[in-house]
Amino acid sequence: DTEVTQTPKHLVMGMTNKKSLKCEQHMGHRAMYWYKQKAKKPPELMFVYSYEKLSINESVPSRFSPECPNSSLLNLHLHALQPEDSALYLCASSQERLAGGNIQYFGAGTRLSVL
Amino acid sequence: DQQVKQNSPSLSVQEGRISILNCDYTNSMFDYFLWYKKYPAEGPTFLISISSIKDKNEDGRFTVFLNKSAKHLSLHIVPSQPGDSAVYFCAATALSSGTYKYIFGTGTRLKVLA
Repeated sequence: DTEVTQTPKHLVMGMTNKKSLKCEQHMGHRAMYWYKQKAKKPPELMFVYSYEKLSINESVPSRFSPECPNSSLLNLHLHALQPEDSALYLCASSQERLAGGNIQYFGAGTRLSVL
Repeated sequence: DQQVKQNSPSLSVQEGRISILNCDYTNSMFDYFLWYKKYPAEGPTFLISISSIKDKNEDGRFTVFLNKSAKHLSLHIVPSQPGDSAVYFCAATALSSGTYKYIFGTGTRLKVLA
């Protein structure tokens, strides 16, 4: 099973709302990632968790707050977003973060629209 | 600055012919390169990878070639099939803050015509 499940698939929120994106994997992977992808652009890394600890934050604004409650789950809490935050948010996992040829497995993403 | 570039945003190929997708990079410290395929409404899926110490890796219909002196890699798909129609991303990995990060190219949309 190489599946990474993301919910919801689509999300529309206002600038004052609080919402959360969820990601789940059951491959025993110890590294999990959040990416943001705008239209016609490559995925851009936001956060990396390794063994449930935040190891990389790519200078992401504090209105995005990641959380890793356990080794299978990764959340992204959203608050006071701006319209320019509208994008596809992708979650990925890999066995661990230290191998250069590490394969990352991606979920289908959550398409977020901020009104 | 874009460290990984795919200069062809789109490519059309007849079924059964060879598809060649190209990727250029600027950072000589990249140590692995990977190709991912993305269908609409799905996440990217891994296709094939190559270490920077190799110049070729083959897996079925897919072959990746690496030219380190030119900082160029290419993905060959032979024979191309309509199901290969998708967006293809190359990615390079680099060690940063104790973690290997992916840096993606901008993608090439491949259309295989039946």
